[in-house]
Amino acid sequence: DTGVSQDPRHKITKRGQNVTFRCDPISEHNRLYWYRQTLGQGPEFLTYFQNEAQLEKSRLLSDRFSAERPKGSFSTLEIQRTEQGDSAMYLCASSRRQGAYNSPLHFGNGTRLTVT
Amino acid sequence: DQQVKQNSPSLSVQEGRISILNCDYTNSMFDYFLWYKKYPAEGPTFLISISSIKDKNEDGRFTVFLNKSAKHLSLHIVPSQPGDSAVYFCAASSSANAGGTSYGKLTFGQGTILTVHP
Repeated sequence: DTGVSQDPRHKITKRGQNVTFRCDPISEHNRLYWYRQTLGQGPEFLTYFQNEAQLEKSRLLSDRFSAERPKGSFSTLEIQRTEQGDSAMYLCASSRRQGAYNSPLHFGNGTRLTVT
Repeated sequence: DQQVKQNSPSLSVQEGRISILNCDYTNSMFDYFLWYKKYPAEGPTFLISISSIKDKNEDGRFTVFLNKSAKHLSLHIVPSQPGDSAVYFCAASSSANAGGTSYGKLTFGQGTILTVHP
């Protein structure tokens, strides 16, 4: 279990630029999630993949956001035309099916995005 | 619409004493509850969970209690240690929309900062 890996750890970008984040889940986990956390708040669900299929997207995920998980392995989250309101910690998590429930989510250390 | 609330932003306790962190929820469809701990510059780490068919789950120094009628859960840490100092999040999920199985769409509270003094 090498843990969930996210890259980069920090990203500073100018408003209007596009950014892409990468997440490598724990290898045997078939479920992958993206969450966003702003200061003083808990993480908020953005989207969820089972293998390569994106099964749900939150209304928080505007059309400037797109997530992919080609081949059901790593995932990318792209934000186009970034806005200052996109500044947040973007967390990736993975899990596997365990009986009637998920195994608990294992989170990565996140990518902190700052939009100037 | 804050469906999961942690009304205490912070809690300070002495080493060796009990820490009690509280969480309230409003959505009666939630049937699986978790506690996560978060250190600075790290992602949340799973601590303990409880399904709605139980009212208590214990794992070492950590016990989670669930009161469904009050829509309230609490995390007890006994004895508290300085290394427990972190932000604690409660989270909830519902299996209702997932074909009878819970999945990872968690709704988190705002977090409680626990400080354990030596």
